[in-house]
Amino acid sequence: RKEVEQDPGPFNVPEGATVAFNCTYSNSASQSFFWYRQDCRKEPKLLMSVYSSGNEDGRFTAQLNRASQYISLLIRDSKLSDSATYLCVVRRTTGTASKLTFGTGTRLQVTL
Amino acid sequence: NAGVMQNPRHLVRRRGQEARLRCSPMKGHSHVYWYRQLPEEGLKFMVYLQKENIIDESGMPKERFSAEFPKEGPSILRIQQVVRGDSAAYFCASSPLPSSENPNEQFFGPGTRLTVL
Repeated sequence: RKEVEQDPGPFNVPEGATVAFNCTYSNSASQSFFWYRQDCRKEPKLLMSVYSSGNEDGRFTAQLNRASQYISLLIRDSKLSDSATYLCVVRRTTGTASKLTFGTGTRLQVTL
Repeated sequence: NAGVMQNPRHLVRRRGQEARLRCSPMKGHSHVYWYRQLPEEGLKFMVYLQKENIIDESGMPKERFSAEFPKEGPSILRIQQVVRGDSAAYFCASSPLPSSENPNEQFFGPGTRLTVL
């Protein structure tokens, strides 16, 4: 089983739609959680950190459920420019170092 | 404030040659991470370095791959005797804090796309 699992999509939605992505992680020792965005053939860019209380940044809302080991990202009022791959990322410390583990990403295509 | 720099952006090598990928972290960042992304797959952690030290190389293949981050100059990921399966995008990231400190946000460079013929 992969440490971070995401539905690969693609999700095809019209402009203005609300879309939700889900992610599950297998290691309960994971400590920090993030959503990154990756455009085609570009580097990943941090979209937002995910906190237990849930957090919102404009049209984006992230939720974390530690008991279920589940992370979500909600995008409201989708724009064409939101088309990208969204990567669920978890961080876990072993010893004195920690590392990020990436999901394979969920592809979003927003259309007119 | 320049971001993470990587060069070359594209690298073509024949089987058996050596590939050297360079990464300059963001100003003020002394922690560097290398990731590999195979086509249609997620990013996979390879190695975490601080200046002159390898902290975690648990993701590095046992043979042919090495990394360094000298006191002066960029971090180097070196692949000896490349094979076709090494073709991938190699991303470098940097952070200002040790990886063990929250929230450990990492900033990525544009990547080097290695093609092995």
